[in-house]
Amino acid sequence: KQEVTQIPAALSVPEGENLVLNCSFTDSAIYNLQWFRQDPGKGLTSLLLIQSSQREQTSGRLNASLDKSSGRSTLYIAASQPGDSATYLCAVYILTGGGNKLTFGTGTQLKVEL
Amino acid sequence: GAGVSQTPSNKVTEKGKYVELRCDPISGHTALYWYRQSLGQGPEFLIYFQGTGAADDSGLPNDRFFAVRPEGSVSTLKIQRTERGDSAVYLCASSLTGAHPYEQYFGPGTRLTVT
Repeated sequence: KQEVTQIPAALSVPEGENLVLNCSFTDSAIYNLQWFRQDPGKGLTSLLLIQSSQREQTSGRLNASLDKSSGRSTLYIAASQPGDSATYLCAVYILTGGGNKLTFGTGTQLKVEL
Repeated sequence: GAGVSQTPSNKVTEKGKYVELRCDPISGHTALYWYRQSLGQGPEFLIYFQGTGAADDSGLPNDRFFAVRPEGSVSTLKIQRTERGDSAVYLCASSLTGAHPYEQYFGPGTRLTVT
C-alpha cells in the first residue's frame, strides 16, 4: 500500500526566507506527483504537477522536484511571504486496475511571519 | 470555463439521518472522484467513476456510503444513518479520463458536521 509522508508537519519561518518542504512515498511505481495548497476551511489549490517523465517543475517562486527512484519530492519556496502561509499537501497518482487515484500526505502547515 | 462545483458547501445533520452531497464535474470530464478529508489529515480516496460506472469503490468505509453517477456527469454521494465519525470535508474531483493519470481538478468541498 502506497504511503506518503510529509516532513516537517509544521514550519514557522520569518518573511523572506527560502524554504524546502519534503515529501516521500513508499512505492516508486507512481505516475504523476502534484503539490497543492490548502488555506484554512478552503478547498485544494493546485500548485505544480510533475509528470512521471519529468524531474522538476517551476512556477514563479515555486520549484518542485521529483526523484522516483528514491521516493522523494521537494517543494522549494523562494523569498517566502506572509501570503504563503497555508497547508501544503503532496499527492501521488497511482494506477490501479480500476483507473487512477491520488494518495495524499498529511501536509506541512507553513506560517510565514512578518 | 466553470470548474468543479459542489453543493451544499456546508451541511449539518443529526446522528442517524441520511444525507446527499452533490458534485458537478468540469464539462467533458469522464472521470470523477470522491475524497474525504478529516481534520488535520490529507484527503483519502473514496470512489472513482469512469463514465456512469464505479470503477473503483475500494475507499468507501462501509455499506452506509454509496455514490451514483447515472448520466455520467453529476454525481451524488449518499450517506445513510450518519455517525459523528462521518464529520469531514468531502471533496470531489474530475479529470479528462481515468484511463491515464490526467490532472485531477478539485471542487471546494462540502463540510459535513454530524451532531
